[in-house]
Amino acid sequence: DTEVTQTPKHLVMGMTNKKSLKCEQHMGHRAMYWYKQKAKKPPELMFVYSYEKLSINESVPSRFSPECPNSSLLNLHLHALQPEDSALYLCASSQGTSGGVYEQFFGPGTRLTVL
Amino acid sequence: GESVGLHLPTLSVQEGDNSIINCAYSNSASDYFIWYKQESGKGPQFIIDIRSNMDKRQGQRVTVLLNKTVKHLSLQIAATQPGDSAVYFCADQDGRDNYGQNFVFGPGTRLSVLP
Repeated sequence: DTEVTQTPKHLVMGMTNKKSLKCEQHMGHRAMYWYKQKAKKPPELMFVYSYEKLSINESVPSRFSPECPNSSLLNLHLHALQPEDSALYLCASSQGTSGGVYEQFFGPGTRLTVL
Repeated sequence: GESVGLHLPTLSVQEGDNSIINCAYSNSASDYFIWYKQESGKGPQFIIDIRSNMDKRQGQRVTVLLNKTVKHLSLQIAATQPGDSAVYFCADQDGRDNYGQNFVFGPGTRLSVLP
């Protein structure tokens, strides 16, 4: 299985809602990532987990809360979002976490709209 | 901080012609580079990579050239096909990044293949 899956595919939420995005991979990868991608822009790194521990937080507002329950799953909890948070949220995974560089495999993304 | 950019935001080519997509990077410590292809509604897909100790790498119908002197990267696609229509991103990684995780994406080039 060489796939990263993300659910839901689309999400519409109000500014007072709480929702979660889910990501799963079964490639045995030990690093997992959340990216945010606005229309016609490149992906921007948000969070990195290495061996289920948060290793990089790119100064993301606290209304985004990541969680890595196990080595195959990555969640992104959303609360009190703003309309400008509407974007495509991409999950990725890679084999290694240190001592080298590793290709990142991306999921299809969740298209989030905040009303 | 480092940044990765592209010279052209859009590129239109005739089917069957060769395509060349360019990328400039500014971080002289970058030592690993990836080209990704992103089709509409999908996550980025790995095309080809190259390390800084190489200046050329070939794949199936694709070639990546690296010129470290001028910090320039290019992706050549031979015999461009309609299925090659997508946005192409280059991404680089700082060799000092011990985690091997933090890639910086360029702004992207949209390739349109004309019939």
